[in-house]
Amino acid sequence: DVKVTQSSRYLVKRTGEKVFLECVQDMDHENMFWYRQDPGLGLRLIYFSYDVKMKEKGDIPEGYSVSREKKERFSLILESASTNQTSMYLCASRTLAGGQGYQETQYFGPGTRLLVL
Amino acid sequence: DQQVKQNSPSLSVQEGRISILNCDYTNSMFDYFLWYKKYPAEGPTFLISISSIKDKNEDGRFTVFLNKSAKHLSLHIVPSQPGDSAVYFCAASWYNNNDMRFGAGTRLTVKP
Repeated sequence: DVKVTQSSRYLVKRTGEKVFLECVQDMDHENMFWYRQDPGLGLRLIYFSYDVKMKEKGDIPEGYSVSREKKERFSLILESASTNQTSMYLCASRTLAGGQGYQETQYFGPGTRLLVL
Repeated sequence: DQQVKQNSPSLSVQEGRISILNCDYTNSMFDYFLWYKKYPAEGPTFLISISSIKDKNEDGRFTVFLNKSAKHLSLHIVPSQPGDSAVYFCAASWYNNNDMRFGAGTRLTVKP
């Protein structure tokens, strides 16, 4: 079974703090994704990574950066947390090994609920 | 700009009856559609998908129907069970993109 883990289930941070959200997958997947989930808006893509050291902006990258130094790990960084970044953050990974590319299933972690005060 | 819309935030159904969850999309480039299910405190899990070359895909109690001309898809659950109570997300993707577009989700409650 694919396992995607996220470093924290709940986080409380103060405005202006630098926040690190970590995601690890154990299936050697090439692609990894960071989403945020907000009521009424569904899941919105922040960043994704094709492979190690490769990243692309999603729909809402402002205020975020990412790092992928190892294939299994994808980090989301909030450089200076703000209250509008209070949200549920979901990490996902996907293989390309099946050859179906975008039709491959994304596997999600359990999410990190971040509260910025 | 939400390209995938789930207009019903919630749905309540009696156990044993059919649950029908609806999803509309605006981008005609979408050619692959998925449903994900999410329980509280867990990440979404893949449920069922359909390619645009089909109009129906069935997997046990779950059937997804696609109406391309109406840009509409629906998920049917028959018979509904209390364990199906969750939030269901519709998602869409297309060959030239690596990400997916998600709807806002519909919270399904199946009452015993």
